[in-house]
Amino acid sequence: KAGVTQTPRYLIKTRGQQVTLSCSPISGHRSVSWYQQTPGQGLQFLFEYFSETQRNKGNFPGRFSGRQFSNSRSEMNVSTLELGDSALYLCASSLIFSGETQYFGPGTRLLVL
Amino acid sequence: KNQVEQSPQSLIILEGKNCTLQCNYTVSPFSNLRWYKQDTGRGPVSLTIMTFSENTKSNGRYTATLDADTKQSSLHITASQLSDSASYICVVSADNDMRFGAGTRLTVKP
Repeated sequence: KAGVTQTPRYLIKTRGQQVTLSCSPISGHRSVSWYQQTPGQGLQFLFEYFSETQRNKGNFPGRFSGRQFSNSRSEMNVSTLELGDSALYLCASSLIFSGETQYFGPGTRLLVL
Repeated sequence: KNQVEQSPQSLIILEGKNCTLQCNYTVSPFSNLRWYKQDTGRGPVSLTIMTFSENTKSNGRYTATLDADTKQSSLHITASQLSDSASYICVVSADNDMRFGAGTRLTVKP
């Protein structure tokens, strides 16, 4: 079974731009969660999607949004990028609940200049 | 406040030695506790997941323990290998909350 895939792997943007990251979960997994990882803050939960609906949301500003498609693939969007948005963005999938074993993708490393 | 604290922050050991990493939490109500291994530049990989009723769980040379009364967990690595060099992250889930520890950076030296 193919693992979780994320595209692109690396991205460089400038302040004020917007970015869309993509995540394809493991086949059959319906829960997709997004995380931000920075050296200073560690891993932080962004949101979780299940059956095209946002089920949980972390404590991030409205500039961070996401969606899930009928095939469980998910995208997250960050608008009006700030320097502090530079981070590794990880996507994780699980069968039904994020509380189950999650399988992480390799991440998208975003650098905001 | 729901918190997860890991210790030590970093650890250096010699190849072949054992080590134990600690995770203390105040997350409530407790749902499950997971240990992840994250190699540099890669996504975390699940090592173990434990619910309230489980005291210990093993995955090869990795053994996790959980004391739900004292809200402590440990990850014991036996006969360490160079490939064990990574960050180990403890994650504790409540009903609708998930808290991540800052991780322990383990370096195994030959």
